[in-house]
Amino acid sequence: ELKVEQNPLFLSMQEGKNYTIYCNYSTTSDRLYWYRQDPGKSLESLFVLLSNGAVKQEGRLMASLDTKARLSTLHITAAVHDLSATYFCAGNTNAGKSTFGDGTTLTVKP
Amino acid sequence: EPEVTQTPSHQVTQMGQEVILRCVPISNHLYFYWYRQILGQKVEFLVSFYNNEISEKSEIFDDQFSVERPDGSNFTLKIRSTKLEDSAMYFCATYLVSTDTQYFGPGTRLTVL
Repeated sequence: ELKVEQNPLFLSMQEGKNYTIYCNYSTTSDRLYWYRQDPGKSLESLFVLLSNGAVKQEGRLMASLDTKARLSTLHITAAVHDLSATYFCAGNTNAGKSTFGDGTTLTVKP
Repeated sequence: EPEVTQTPSHQVTQMGQEVILRCVPISNHLYFYWYRQILGQKVEFLVSFYNNEISEKSEIFDDQFSVERPDGSNFTLKIRSTKLEDSAMYFCATYLVSTDTQYFGPGTRLTVL
């Protein structure tokens, strides 16, 4: 059974700084997703990573996947307050059924 | 852009009562899911539905839960006799094979008193 672990669970950053969120998973996962969730809101899809070495970037966020290490990272560059949210990674072994990590709550302070 | 919609946005019920949560999936999507998220916790898979039948369900999805697609458009989750621990946000999601992307609805917050 797929297990997904994220760290850190809580992250407080200053604006302008860089940081990385890590997502480890236990068995082969066909896809690796990253989502953003604002308080009381739904999940917004950020990235879908399909193959080893995949790298995707959108604005200040960059996600990568290393299937051999069973590791995905979400790198934040020059954080801004608007990035404050909870970020989830999720692995996927069947069409769409996702197993989520515990989430990383990011707070970006001025 | 098409979206998954869910109703109601908030449902308050008494313990032991039945609730039905409704979802309207994106029209050309074929895979449907229900997830739940207890406040402050991670998102948990409940059930997947494809070709008008359950394709997979989790341990959480016991006999108190059922899903159906009664009219070809709505996708419903029924909880027969709610418990306090069923209080959570319930998300409906659909999956599009061509984009490998899962699309989540806005959620229904269920409060069981």
